[in-house]
Amino acid sequence: AQTVTQSQPEMSVQEAETVTLSCTYDTSESDYYLFWYKQPPSRQMILVIRQEAYKQQNATENRFSVNFQKAAKSFSLKISDSQLGDAAMYFCAYRSRRAGSYQLTFGKGTKLSVIP
Amino acid sequence: SQTIHQWPATLVQPVGSPLSLECTVEGTSNPNLYWYRQAAGRGLQLLFYSVGIGQISSEVPQNLSASRPQDRQFILSSKKLLLSDSGFYLCAAGTLTYEQYFGPGTRLTVT
Repeated sequence: AQTVTQSQPEMSVQEAETVTLSCTYDTSESDYYLFWYKQPPSRQMILVIRQEAYKQQNATENRFSVNFQKAAKSFSLKISDSQLGDAAMYFCAYRSRRAGSYQLTFGKGTKLSVIP
Repeated sequence: SQTIHQWPATLVQPVGSPLSLECTVEGTSNPNLYWYRQAAGRGLQLLFYSVGIGQISSEVPQNLSASRPQDRQFILSSKKLLLSDSGFYLCAAGTLTYEQYFGPGTRLTVT
C-alpha cells in the first residue's frame, strides 16, 4: 500500500517570502500522480498543483511550483511571494494510475501560517 | 469545469437519529464520486467511492452507508448516529485526469 508522509506539522513564513513544504511517499509503482491540496479555514479542499510521475519537468502554477524527485520519492511544494491568503493546511496526495485504483492517499497535512 | 454541491452545510443531530447527506455534481458526466471524513486537525479518511450508478465500494466498515441513485448524485446515510460519527464530511468528484475536486463540506456534530 502507498503511504504519504508530511514531516512538518506546522510551518510559518513572512509575507512576500518563499516557503517550501515537504512530502515523501512510498510506492512500488512507476506510474502515478501527485497532488498538493490547500484547505483554508473554510475547510474546502482546493487543488493547487498536479504532477504526473512520467514527466521529468516540475509543474508550476503561478506562485506555486514543485520539486519532484522520483528516485528519492520526494514531492515538495514551493510557494513564492507568500500572501496572507496562502495561510491554510496543505495536503500532499498520491494517486495510482493502475487500472481499478480510484482513491487518493493523503498525508496528514502541514499547517502554514503567513506572518504579516 | 465541474462544481460539487453539498448540503446541509452544518448539522447537529442527537445520538441514535438518522442521517442523510447529499452531494450533487454539475459540469461533468459519469464522474467517480467519493465520500471522505475529516476529524478535527486530522487528514482525510476515505469512506466510500462509486464508479457508476448503484456501484458503491466501502473502505471503512462502520455505521454509515452510501448510495448513488443518479449519475451525479451521491448520498451518505446512517440509520443511527454514534458520537464517533461527528466530523467534517467532504464529497469529491474524480476526473479522467485523476485529480479530485471537492465540495464545500458538511460539518456534523452528534450530541
